[in-house]
Amino acid sequence: QSALTQPASVSGSPGQSITISCTGTSSDVGGYNYVSWYQQHPGKAPKLMICDVSNRPSGVSNRFSGSKSGNTASLTISGLQAEDEADYYCSSYTSSSTLVFGTGTKVTVL
Amino acid sequence: QVQLQESGPGLVKPSETLSLTCTVSGGSVSSGSYYWSWIRQPPGKGLEWIGQIYYSGSTNCNPSLKSRVTISVDTSKNQFSLKVSSVTAADTAVYYCARRTLGYWYFDLWGRGTLVTVSS
Repeated sequence: QSALTQPASVSGSPGQSITISCTGTSSDVGGYNYVSWYQQHPGKAPKLMICDVSNRPSGVSNRFSGSKSGNTASLTISGLQAEDEADYYCSSYTSSSTLVFGTGTKVTVL
Repeated sequence: QVQLQESGPGLVKPSETLSLTCTVSGGSVSSGSYYWSWIRQPPGKGLEWIGQIYYSGSTNCNPSLKSRVTISVDTSKNQFSLKVSSVTAADTAVYYCARRTLGYWYFDLWGRGTLVTVSS
């Protein structure tokens, strides 16, 4: 199975909004509403930020939102803050009953 | 609260078998509500799902690793384990154990991860 495609890096100034894309196929992202997003700071375990395309777990800031159109899912961070600087990974259920992660995106707060 | 902790050798020789264990504390690996997974991350690279196990012993693995991976569960010790055979330098990674809820495909609980280096 091939990794989902994410941009290598995205940057923005404090207070701005940024969007990270996650492109797959009809056999994963496009076929199911099981897309999740994780935030990972250096040396730390990933943290769940969005599940099931657009649901925010308890305790996650409402500045994080998710959506999907066709084979591409997106994570939007609004009101960008210094603490949002991290790596972000998407993941999706696949038609083979497995899970695939995205290639990862480094978010830089300018 | 429920916590996961990975343990095992930090150094494995090429061609040998990597063995890790994840201990579940504050909860039960026998809970029918969860699947228990292994995920790895090579240094400086992205995440890779290795596979998962249900308390009954039912497993599912990444096709790219399936021939070398064995995942098992020990309900008496409240642990689940990972074995990767015939390792090479490409298997050097931080290995995480994680939990997902039955019927959903996201990981809401992760261990801290353990670095395994494959080197002679």
